[in-house]
Amino acid sequence: DSGVTQTPKHLITATGQRVTLRCSPRSGDLSVYWYQQSLDQGLQFLIQYYNGEERAKGNILERFSAQQFPDLHSELNLSSLELGDSALYFCASSGVRGTGYTFGSGTRLTVV
Amino acid sequence: GNSVTQMEGPVTLSEEAFLTINCTYTATGYPSLFWYVQYPGEGLQLLLKATKADDKGSNKGFEATYRKETTSFHLEKGSVQVSDSAVYFCALYGQNFVFGPGTRLSVLP
Repeated sequence: DSGVTQTPKHLITATGQRVTLRCSPRSGDLSVYWYQQSLDQGLQFLIQYYNGEERAKGNILERFSAQQFPDLHSELNLSSLELGDSALYFCASSGVRGTGYTFGSGTRLTVV
Repeated sequence: GNSVTQMEGPVTLSEEAFLTINCTYTATGYPSLFWYVQYPGEGLQLLLKATKADDKGSNKGFEATYRKETTSFHLEKGSVQVSDSAVYFCALYGQNFVFGPGTRLSVLP
C-alpha cells in the first residue's frame, strides 16, 4: 500500500456520460497530481493541486475538471466522455519538494 | 522547458543479462532525478533517486548515477530477473515533475 488511495479501481461507462474519480493523498502530503496513461499517449500530466489551490495545469481537456477539498482529497471529473478517454488515471501526491511522487494504483476507465 | 528522453523499448533480455536503460534530460538549474517502475496492472513506484551531481541512487540491485556533464541518469542492473519485467520511467523534478515516455523491459527465463 503506497498510502495514496484511488477509487474506484475500475469504471465502465457509456459515451456522453460523466464520472468522478477520487484520490486520497498520502498522510501529510499537500500536493495532488492527476495523470492520464493511455497506450498511445504515454503518461500525460493533467493537473496539480496544492493545499486546495490549482498549482499547475497540463494537457487537461476542457471537459475535464478537478478540485482538492479541505481534507486534501481530490476529485477528477470527466464529462461528455468519448471512447478516446478510455485510459488509466493515476493520482500522485508529494510532500517536500524534490522527494518524489507517491502514486496510487489508478482507476481504469473504459468508455463504451 | 524541461524534458526527459529515454530509450524506446521494448527491451528484451534473457535472465541474468546486464541491463542498461539510457536516460538524458534537459533542464535549467539542478533538478532531482528519479527512476520509477510500473509493474503490470499497478501504479508507478519510486525505484531510486539522486538529488545532486555525482550522486548514485540504488535499490533492488538497480543503480543510476547523476551525470551533470552528460545530463544523463542511465539505469543499470548487473543481472536481471524475470520479476524485473515492467515499464521503467525516468523523471526529473525542477519546478515540477517531467516524465520520460517509459521503456518496457521483458526478461525471458
